[in-house]
Amino acid sequence: QVQMVESGGGVVQPGRSLRLSCAASGFTFSNYGMHWVRQAPGKGLEWVAVIWYDGINKFYADSLKGRFTISRDNSKNTLYLQMNSLRAEDTAVYYCARKNGDSAGLDWFDPWGQGTLVTVSS
Amino acid sequence: SSELTQDPAVSVALGQTVRITCQGDSLRNYYASWYQQKPGQAPVLVIYGKNNRPSGIPDRFSGSSSGNTASLTINGAQAEDEADYYCNSRDSSGNHYVFGTGTKVTVL
Repeated sequence: QVQMVESGGGVVQPGRSLRLSCAASGFTFSNYGMHWVRQAPGKGLEWVAVIWYDGINKFYADSLKGRFTISRDNSKNTLYLQMNSLRAEDTAVYYCARKNGDSAGLDWFDPWGQGTLVTVSS
Repeated sequence: SSELTQDPAVSVALGQTVRITCQGDSLRNYYASWYQQKPGQAPVLVIYGKNNRPSGIPDRFSGSSSGNTASLTINGAQAEDEADYYCNSRDSSGNHYVFGTGTKVTVL
């Protein structure tokens, strides 16, 4: 079945870096764009970044100010999120989700991984 | 960037109908999708596009849209529908995405 499994979360000190991974299975990974979405404790969902199926087009939430980089390795069916200069406000559960839809404005996120918790604390 | 605004909380009696709304300028140009999230779980897609339900989502869930407002309706709410619901669409740039502020649905 279609599945994504995130990993790489943990406790990290402010200013340090962390790389998250999302291993996909059950579908042709190279045919789909992928998203990262995060959720701070007790807060709502926040879109983080998207990467198109071929890895060429990437877009980020303005709030990240260039600190995060999304990438993928289609040979390994894996999505990544490199997070640099981490701050306390980056503490959240980070989800990967498959991008579905077309270029005409019909989009949806499905399925989602179970999430990985990143805690930024000294 | 764009914003999508939802009512923070709504309640519905068991078996009754509840409508959740999502307002934002980008909805005039892009479809909304809707997600259900229960405590400690990942979000689950319930509605996408004009009014499409993924496999496994009960037909009591439906979607609609008019102008700058998208709506999710639950006809005959069940106890298991108690959850947080989020809308999502592209923002006005067309390349970024935005989630709504979320609505907590309580089934009485």
